[in-house]
Amino acid sequence: AQSVSQHNHHVILSEAASLELGCNYSYGGTVNLFWYVQYPGQHLQLLLKYFSGDPLVKGIKGFEAEFIKSKFSFNLRKPSVQWSDTAEYFCAVTYKAAGNKLTFGGGTRVLVKP
Amino acid sequence: KAGVTQTPRYLIKTRGQQVTLSCSPISGHRSVSWYQQTPGQGLQFLFEYFSETQRNKGNFPGRFSGRQFSNSRSEMNVSTLELGDSALYLCASSLLPDTGELFFGEGSRLTVL
Repeated sequence: AQSVSQHNHHVILSEAASLELGCNYSYGGTVNLFWYVQYPGQHLQLLLKYFSGDPLVKGIKGFEAEFIKSKFSFNLRKPSVQWSDTAEYFCAVTYKAAGNKLTFGGGTRVLVKP
Repeated sequence: KAGVTQTPRYLIKTRGQQVTLSCSPISGHRSVSWYQQTPGQGLQFLFEYFSETQRNKGNFPGRFSGRQFSNSRSEMNVSTLELGDSALYLCASSLLPDTGELFFGEGSRLTVL
């Protein structure tokens, strides 16, 4: 079955530190890749997406992600985090072979200390 | 424009009862998906509807069902509730299916006692 793995469950950083969250997906043919974010007390919202083309995609709030097809990975990065980046981050994948339903990873809780 | 609206936001039920949750998508969005979120299992896909038809279904027992109306509003129903059904149920809408670009509501938190 298609699956998505996020390596870290919890990450604690200080402001201005760099952030990288790992995401790997199981092989399943054609995929589209996403990162969603859930800020405290708010609903899930789309951070960035990859459908095709340049494997380095930029999203909102200075986030970017790189699709490495050979590694089945789609890691999220931000060069310098702020306290307001405290949130839970979810990697998600749609597999064409599975009817394009969105499959989520387990999430990574990020705490940025001021 | 208004976001995805879910009602009720909180509810408490006892084992064996049934529950119906409602979702109003963003105006113009025709696809609605439902997810169950729990601390242990994370976000699990329940089903997806488009034009009143179920397009996809997750690995949940038949006690979980849903439907979509002609105005794109959707409901999901859980019958014969079990303790393990306690969760946050999230509805998400999109203009069309297959995009993966979902707009989520704040969820309905169900507690089963």
